[in-house]
Amino acid sequence: EPEVTQTPSHQVTQMGQEVILRCVPISNHLYFYWYRQILGQKVEFLVSFYNNEISEKSEIFDDQFSVERPDGSNFTLKIRSTKLEDSAMYFCASSPDRMGNSPLHFGNGTRLTVT
Amino acid sequence: DAKTTQPPSMDCAEGRAANLPCNHSTTSGNEYVYWYRQIHSQGPQYIIHGLKNNETNEMASLIITEDRKSSTLILPHATLRDTAVYYCIVSSHSGYALNFGKGTSLLVTP
Repeated sequence: EPEVTQTPSHQVTQMGQEVILRCVPISNHLYFYWYRQILGQKVEFLVSFYNNEISEKSEIFDDQFSVERPDGSNFTLKIRSTKLEDSAMYFCASSPDRMGNSPLHFGNGTRLTVT
Repeated sequence: DAKTTQPPSMDCAEGRAANLPCNHSTTSGNEYVYWYRQIHSQGPQYIIHGLKNNETNEMASLIITEDRKSSTLILPHATLRDTAVYYCIVSSHSGYALNFGKGTSLLVTP
C-alpha cells in the first residue's frame, strides 16, 4: 500500500538555525498538509497546500514557517530560525481530494529537537 | 467545525469488541465523522469515516446515530496491537484541517 514518507526521522538543531523537513506524499494525491505534536499534547494543524499555494494555515504557522513543493514529488516544511518551543514531532499528510470525503494519510513523522 | 467529546480512557479485553463512543452534537448535514488512531508517537492512522450511514471496512465498523449527534467506533475483535489513542473528528466539507482533540486512550489487556 502506498504511504507518505518523511525524512529524516530525527533532526537535532541548535536554536536560531534553519531546518527543512522533507516529505514524499502519495504519488496521485493533490492536497498536502503539515501537522505537529509537542510531546504529550494534541496533534495540531499547521498548514494545507494545494495547486502550489497555501489553502489554509493555523495561527501557529507564522512567518518563521514556509512550505514548498520544489518538484513533482517532495513537499517541504522550512523553519527559518528555530526556537526551543519548535521541538515536536512534525507529521506530513496527503489526500487525493479536498478533505470531506477524502481521508488524510499521514507519515510517521520527523522528531525535531531544538537545543 | 463541530466539537467532539470522547471519554479519556477505556479498557477492553483481548478478543472482545471495543466500542468507542463519540458525541458530536453540533454536527451539520455536510460534515463527515472521521476516526483516526495513534499508536505511541507514530503518525495518525486513518481508520474509517462516514456521513450518515453506518460504514464497515477491514479495520472497524462505524455506527452513526440517525440524528448524527453521536457515533460509535467498533473494533470487533480487539488485539493488543489495537492499544492506541483513538480520535473522533468531525470535518467540514469546506475545510482543509483535521482538528484533533485529546481522543480516547484504549488499553487492550490480555
